[in-house]
Amino acid sequence: DVKVTQSSRYLVKRTGEKVFLECVQDMDHENMFWYRQDPGLGLRLIYFSYDVKMKEKGDIPEGYSVSREKKERFSLILESASTNQTSMYLCASTSLTSGSGEQYFGPGTRLTVT
Amino acid sequence: QKEVEQDPGPLSVPEGAIVSLNCTYSNSAFQYFMWYRQYSRKGPELLMYTYSSGNKEDGRFTAQVDKSSKYISLFIRDSQPSDSATYLCAMSAFRTNAGKSTFGDGTTLTVKP
Repeated sequence: DVKVTQSSRYLVKRTGEKVFLECVQDMDHENMFWYRQDPGLGLRLIYFSYDVKMKEKGDIPEGYSVSREKKERFSLILESASTNQTSMYLCASTSLTSGSGEQYFGPGTRLTVT
Repeated sequence: QKEVEQDPGPLSVPEGAIVSLNCTYSNSAFQYFMWYRQYSRKGPELLMYTYSSGNKEDGRFTAQVDKSSKYISLFIRDSQPSDSATYLCAMSAFRTNAGKSTFGDGTTLTVKP
């Protein structure tokens, strides 16, 4: 059974803090993604990675960075958290051999920045 | 204009009803069409996917793609309260786009007992 796990389900941080969100997949997938999901705005792609140490900006990368040192792990970093980064963060992965590009999602991290 | 537009809902139906969820798109390069189900406070899970035009059935769920009209649908027969969730359509050109998908904003469905 495929599995994507995220380090925290709920997180509360203060404005200005550096925040790390971690994602691990056990399916040997090449591609991994970070999204944020907000009511009325749908899923928005922050960053994605198509290989170890390779990354590309998504649609809303400002205020975020990522790290992929190992194939199974993809981290999202909020350099200096702000209240407008309060959101649900979702990690996903997909295999290049899958054909359809279907993505497998983690359970999400609900981040609140106060 | 968004590449993928999804009927926003919310949709509320009685148990046993047939539900139709719909998306339109503008990018002719999309080849794979997916539906995800997302329960409240959970991550989306893949329900089914279809390649190119046609129908695909899986139990009570049928996915339909009409590439000529750039229109996709998900039908749920004999809907159950457990089907209450947000449904996301997604589309992919896949091999030409680094595995990225474009998602609709989701339709929230409530099935009342």
